[in-house]
Amino acid sequence: SQQGEEDPQALSIQEGENATMNCSYKTSINNLQWYRQNSGRGLVHLILIRSNEREKHSGRLRVTLDTSKKSSSLLITASRAADTASYFCATVAFGNEKLTFGTGTRLTIIP
Amino acid sequence: GAVVSQHPSRVICKSGTSVKIECRSLDFQATTMFWYRQFPKKSLMLMATSNEGSKATYEQGVEKDKFLINHASLTLSTLTVTSAHPEDSSFYICSASRLAADTQYFGPGTRLTVL
Repeated sequence: SQQGEEDPQALSIQEGENATMNCSYKTSINNLQWYRQNSGRGLVHLILIRSNEREKHSGRLRVTLDTSKKSSSLLITASRAADTASYFCATVAFGNEKLTFGTGTRLTIIP
Repeated sequence: GAVVSQHPSRVICKSGTSVKIECRSLDFQATTMFWYRQFPKKSLMLMATSNEGSKATYEQGVEKDKFLINHASLTLSTLTVTSAHPEDSSFYICSASRLAADTQYFGPGTRLTVL
C-alpha cells in the first residue's frame, strides 16, 4: 500500500490556537492535496500543492511540501470551533489519476 | 459549481439483498468517477475507477462481481453491492472529475448497514 501516514492521529486545541498536522508519503508525487471531512460526511477539498511548490496559502490555511523528505504539513491559524473535523492528505503520482489518502488527523477545537 | 450528490444517504438492508447507490455530478460532466470505502475512523480506500462508457477498473482485492459499477452517462455512476453481507457495512463515497487527472469533487457519502 502507498497510503501515507498522518501525525498526530488526534489533536485537541483551544479555540484561537494554531493547529499543525503532518503528512508523510512513500513515493514520488505530482501533487498533494488536503481534505477536510466532518463526521459522517463527504470530503471537502481544501488546497492542492504541486511537487514543484514549497508553500501555499489559502485564507487561514498554510501548506508546506518537502519532496526531499516526502512530507507535507497543514497549518490552520486562529482555529475556530467549526474547524473541528478530520483532515486527510492525499497524493497523486505522475501519470496517475488516483488519490492515495493518508490515515487522517482528527482535530477537535475546544471552545 | 462542481457539486456531486449521492443517493441514498443512508440505507439499511437485509443480508443477501442487493443495494444500488447513485453518484451524480450536478453541474458538470464527469469523465471519470471514483468509488471509495471508508470504515469508522479510518481513511478512504479506493475501490474502483470508472470512465464513462467503459468498464470500471477495480483495485486489487475488490471483487468486481460483488461491487458492480456502471458509468452510463457523463453525470451518473452507480455502485451496486450484490448479495450484501454484514461485513459490507461501511461508508461509501464517490467522487467525480471532469478529466482523468483533474481535481476530484466528492459526494456526501452513503452509509450502508447490512443486517
